[in-house]
Amino acid sequence: EVQLLESGGGLVQPGGSLRLSCAASGFTFSSYVMSWVRQTPGMGLEWVSEISGSGDSTKYADSVRGRFTISRDNSKSTLYLQMNSLRAEDTAVYYCAEDIGSGSYYRWGQGTLVTISS
Amino acid sequence: QSVLTQPPSVSGAPGQRVTISCTGSSSNIGSSYDVNWYQQLPGTAPKLLIYANTNRPSGVPDRFSGSKSGTSASLAIAGLQAEDEADYYCQSYDNSLSGSYVFGTGTKVTVL
Repeated sequence: EVQLLESGGGLVQPGGSLRLSCAASGFTFSSYVMSWVRQTPGMGLEWVSEISGSGDSTKYADSVRGRFTISRDNSKSTLYLQMNSLRAEDTAVYYCAEDIGSGSYYRWGQGTLVTISS
Repeated sequence: QSVLTQPPSVSGAPGQRVTISCTGSSSNIGSSYDVNWYQQLPGTAPKLLIYANTNRPSGVPDRFSGSKSGTSASLAIAGLQAEDEADYYCQSYDNSLSGSYVFGTGTKVTVL
């Protein structure tokens, strides 16, 4: 069964850090571009970052560039998002998603909630 | 703030046909970037409904169809069913500033 399972969310103070993980199973993980997408009640869905199948190419939304780092370990079929200098506006449910081409997100994880608050 | 605008809500009776518009600009849909559509049921992750403007992934009923023209795109749901009640989002790529994938504002479909 194809599955994406996120973990690592939680409550963090402003300025803090958090590392999200997304464990993939049931498909050839290294063959696919992977992305992080977040969702807030007020702002809807927002693309955060993507990484190529090999891991040598990354892209970021302007809102997180310089603070977030996406990475992957294909030997473990796991995607990561290191989030530093967190702000209140980073509060959201974070999803990892498999890109089947041109930003078409076919498989999604269940999401992990990140709350930034003092 | 999203650069793709959708109506906040649409509604229809069972069996009716409804359409959801997605209005963009010359930096996204109008630049020939593909449009994708997602369905999100309450409490669940989004599900890819239409990709590359008109294509349905395996398992998506043919009641769902997508189209694109100029700087806009549309999702049509024919033969509306109770289980279609959900939020729907369009998505494309925007080449302004650094370039990024962008989502629409979302539309709540209510089955009367």
